[in-house]
Amino acid sequence: QVQLVQSGAEVKKPGASVKVSCKASGYTFTGYYMHWVRQAPGQGLEWMGWINPNSGGTNYAQKFQGWVTMTRDTSISTAYMELSRLRSDDTAVYYCARGVTRGYYLYWGQGTLVTVSS
Amino acid sequence: QSVLTQPPSVSGAPGQRVTISCTGSSSNIGAGYDVHWYQQLPGTAPKLLIYGNSNRPSGVPDRFSGSKSGTSASLAITGLQAEDEADYYCQSYDSSLSALFGGGTKLTVL
Repeated sequence: QVQLVQSGAEVKKPGASVKVSCKASGYTFTGYYMHWVRQAPGQGLEWMGWINPNSGGTNYAQKFQGWVTMTRDTSISTAYMELSRLRSDDTAVYYCARGVTRGYYLYWGQGTLVTVSS
Repeated sequence: QSVLTQPPSVSGAPGQRVTISCTGSSSNIGAGYDVHWYQQLPGTAPKLLIYGNSNRPSGVPDRFSGSKSGTSASLAITGLQAEDEADYYCQSYDSSLSALFGGGTKLTVL
């Protein structure tokens, strides 16, 4: 069965970077884009971007351009999302989600809480 | 502020029917992009409820239905149950291949 397992919670200081991983199993990793979505406490879902695990190509939401980096390691079927220059309002749960051609997300990771606090 | 507009909250009594709207523009929903709907219970990842405007994934009760017209879409829930109390999000795309989420709607079962 398809599973997306994310890395554990992180606590970071303002200005630092965080790298969240998402390990995929149960399907061909390079066959589906991986998207990242975040949710601040009490807020809605915010799309951050996607990575094509086959080519490494990326598409970031305009808000995150120059600030987020999505990569992948196909040898271990894992996608990564790195966010730099963290601020307190980056405190959120970060999700990876497997994308399909029609654009929906059937499979999601369990979420990774990133807390930014001095 | 989300590009896709949803009412912040809706409510209904058990057994009733409620609808949640999702309003976009000619750049996203109106451009022909599909609308998908998610249900999110507290502390959990979103769950796909409706895909491709009106299709239900396996396991989703037929009490949930979706529709799309012009620049808007709607999620309808009939036979409201206590377990339906959750946050609901619509999702679509725009021409830059960027995914868009609605701001979310909190459903309260009275």
